[in-house]
Amino acid sequence: QVQLVESGGGVVQPGRSLRLSCAASGFTFNSYAMHWVRQAPGKGLEWVAVISYDGSNKYYVDSVKGRFTISRDNSENTLYLQIDSLRAEDTAVYYCAKDLHSGTYYSYYFDYWGQGTLVTVSS
Amino acid sequence: DIQMTQSPSSLSASVGDRVTITCRASQGIRNYLAWFQQKPGQAPKSLIYATSTLQSGVPSKFSGSGSGTDFTLTISSLQSEDFATYFCQQYNSFPPTFGPGTKVDIK
Repeated sequence: QVQLVESGGGVVQPGRSLRLSCAASGFTFNSYAMHWVRQAPGKGLEWVAVISYDGSNKYYVDSVKGRFTISRDNSENTLYLQIDSLRAEDTAVYYCAKDLHSGTYYSYYFDYWGQGTLVTVSS
Repeated sequence: DIQMTQSPSSLSASVGDRVTITCRASQGIRNYLAWFQQKPGQAPKSLIYATSTLQSGVPSKFSGSGSGTDFTLTISSLQSEDFATYFCQQYNSFPPTFGPGTKVDIK
């Protein structure tokens, strides 16, 4: 069955960097676009970024452009999110999520989610 | 960006009740509407996509309808495991956006 397991969260000072990982299994990872979605404590969900199945295309929500970098290693079935210049407003649980469709088309519908990893930005 | 609203923001219901949650988009999104269930401390779980298509494994007590800007999620007979927060999401336009959620709790 599909499993997505995030790691790498923690308490980080403002301005520092962090790299989140998402280990995928149970499906052909290199065939699907993958996403990061975040949820601030007690708040709603915000889509953050997507990467194509082969890593050639990446898109971001405006609020994180220039600070967040999504990447993937298809040989390791792992998705990453590099977060630089962390701000207090980046405090959230970060979920990785699988796109419904395989191949070059992104649906931006998330059929499977990981359990999330909490990033807390605090001095 | 397309703004998603949900009503009500919360509701109290009893086991066995029929529950309906409404989601409205700020502009037309065709049928590109999904619903997710989230329980405290857990990840969202996919329920419905394309307005009315059940995600694999989701029981048929969940149903969705609507088109354009107005959509509904219906739970035909509420069970204890259904008490949760429900989010809608549009994926017609970039960026995908979510509604603020509807919390369903026990009356």
